[in-house]
Amino acid sequence: DTAVSQTPKYLVTQMGNDKSIKCEQNLGHDTMYWYKQDSKKFLKIMFSYNNKELIINETVPNRFSPKSPDKAHLNLHINSLELGDSAVYFCASRLRDLYNSPLHFGNGTRLTVT
Amino acid sequence: GENVGLHLPTLSVQEGDNSIINCAYSNSASDYFIWYKQESGKGPQFIIDIRSNMDKRQGQRVTVLLNKTVKHLSLQIAATQPGDSAVYFCAENGRGGATNKLIFGTGTLLAVQP
Repeated sequence: DTAVSQTPKYLVTQMGNDKSIKCEQNLGHDTMYWYKQDSKKFLKIMFSYNNKELIINETVPNRFSPKSPDKAHLNLHINSLELGDSAVYFCASRLRDLYNSPLHFGNGTRLTVT
Repeated sequence: GENVGLHLPTLSVQEGDNSIINCAYSNSASDYFIWYKQESGKGPQFIIDIRSNMDKRQGQRVTVLLNKTVKHLSLQIAATQPGDSAVYFCAENGRGGATNKLIFGTGTLLAVQP
């Protein structure tokens, strides 16, 4: 019954590898986001998709490629992983038409690049 | 836990006392504000929100105050309990049409002493 679910919860990999994180929401929302949380707990938006269309891209390196097969899913693929990519990645969603509405977050994926 | 050694602004209170967590926001055009609670190993959870046409909103044991003159937001928690221990974030949502995104402030660690 989890509203926003991400997999995997933990991901440990070596530099140079390619990995993906998956996100699904069952709230009927049409807008989904990826946020990155660094070691100081700072949360920064990376991407936003509305109905499978990219609407926000916050100057994230093009090694990061989000993919939205449908409005309930927003996956994040990362190529050529670097040490600095180590962080917790959060997926979130909300209804775009409800402008003043909160984001609902998943429980995060902790990525560790060694 | 994962918050040890984090060097976030920290508020330490005794169980049963009231807590006040403060936040300064940056954009005078922001018209919607949210407080989130993040427990260790979890994603941010919605606590309470407020629109810019209000200066106070109350929930269960929580009150949010908004002072647009000085761009200041606060979260008051009544009768703080050990379960309130977490990192708290304020977030602002500016008017932006297609760029409907939440910007998060630096978190505050609330430590409740039994």
